[in-house]
Formats: sequence, C-alpha cells, structure tokens
Amino acid sequence: GAVVSQHPSWVICKSGTSVKIECRSLDFQATTMFWYRQFPKQSLMLMATSNEGSKATYEQGVEKDKFLINHASLTLSTLTVTSAHPEDSSFYICSAHDRGEETQYFGPGTRLLVL
Amino acid sequence: DAKTTQPPSMDCAEGRAANLPCNHSTISGNEYVYWYRQIHSQGPQYIIHGLKNNETNEMASLIITEDRKSSTLILPHATLRDTAVYYCIAIGSARQLTFGSGTQLTVLP
Repeated sequence: GAVVSQHPSWVICKSGTSVKIECRSLDFQATTMFWYRQFPKQSLMLMATSNEGSKATYEQGVEKDKFLINHASLTLSTLTVTSAHPEDSSFYICSAHDRGEETQYFGPGTRLLVL
Repeated sequence: DAKTTQPPSMDCAEGRAANLPCNHSTISGNEYVYWYRQIHSQGPQYIIHGLKNNETNEMASLIITEDRKSSTLILPHATLRDTAVYYCIAIGSARQLTFGSGTQLTVLP
C-alpha cells in the first residue's frame, strides 16, 4: 500500500509557541490530504481537507487561523498549530489518497504536548 | 455518508477466526464499505474495502450481504498483533472518512 509519513512523531512545546507538523506521501502524489485530531480514548475527528494549490476546507468548529494548513506540493501538506495551548495537546494524524484512487492511507501520527 | 454501527468490543482466541460485524442499513448505492484498524498510539491502517462483492486480500476477507445493509470483516487466523480498534466506514464520493467508535478487538493468548 501507499506510504504516508509524518514529522515529527512527537513534540513538546511551551504554551504560546507555534508547532509545524509535516505530512508527506512518499510513493505517490496526493492532490488531497486530510488532517485529523484524536483525543485520548476518543475516535478520530476530521479537522480539515487540504487541497494542493488551494485553500484548505475546515470542519465546523475548527479555527482556521489557529490551525494553518499549507499544501504546496503534491507530496507535502503542513499543519501549523499557532499559539499552542495545553488544550491543543492531542494526537494529530494526516491521510492522503493517490490520484484516481479512493483509498486513503494514514500517517503514523504526531503526538503534541503543550506545557 | 451512511452511519455505521459496530459492537464496542469483542474477544477472540489466538489462532481462531475473528468475525467483526458492521451494520450500514442506510448505505447508498455508490458508497463503499471500508475497514481500517488502529493499533494503540498509531495511525489507522487500511485493511480492505468493497462495494457489493465479497473481497479478500492478504490481511482479511470482507463479506457484504446481498442487500448491502451489513458486512463482516474476517481475520482468518487472529494473532496477538491483531489487537486493535477496528473501524467500519461507509464512504461516498466526498472521500471524507467519518470515524465512529469502532470495535475494540482483543485477541487472547
């Protein structure tokens, strides 16, 4: 299956700082990538849909000015958590699908801890 | 996308077949049934998907009823490494996956 990577795998930061998470499709080109967030003992919640070369589409309740998404190439999407606060601590996961395919493949996730 | 219903938890003995059910009674004709699993602290892993025919790959088999209102994921010989939360998702052209609570499968030694 297709491979999606994320970097970093975990990050600890101070409250008020910004954190950037990268999502890469390693062996395919992805016109669309998705960003999810998962709190402990909960299911994945879709945050936004990232389209290459255009603005991301955010789900209701997700602040677009706080969670900046950039999808500048067919293999890379980034999520920047701006002015992070402890309540932003979560497991962030991206997914992508190959052009012309329906199946989404997920990255390994990034665990963010804001102190 | 159609809502899916899964039992919250199941146990299975190691080496035995694990049969995970999923109800999707409101599924529409163009919606696929996808199965993913999530092992603790990892991203979801794709398992299998189907539209109306039964499917099999190296990981599992997917049995979809003729009316498409339910399906069963079969892990033929469960191992301890198959312990995970299994998600059944109906997805249409929007390509957005909506994750429910899934089924926590515990494979017992």
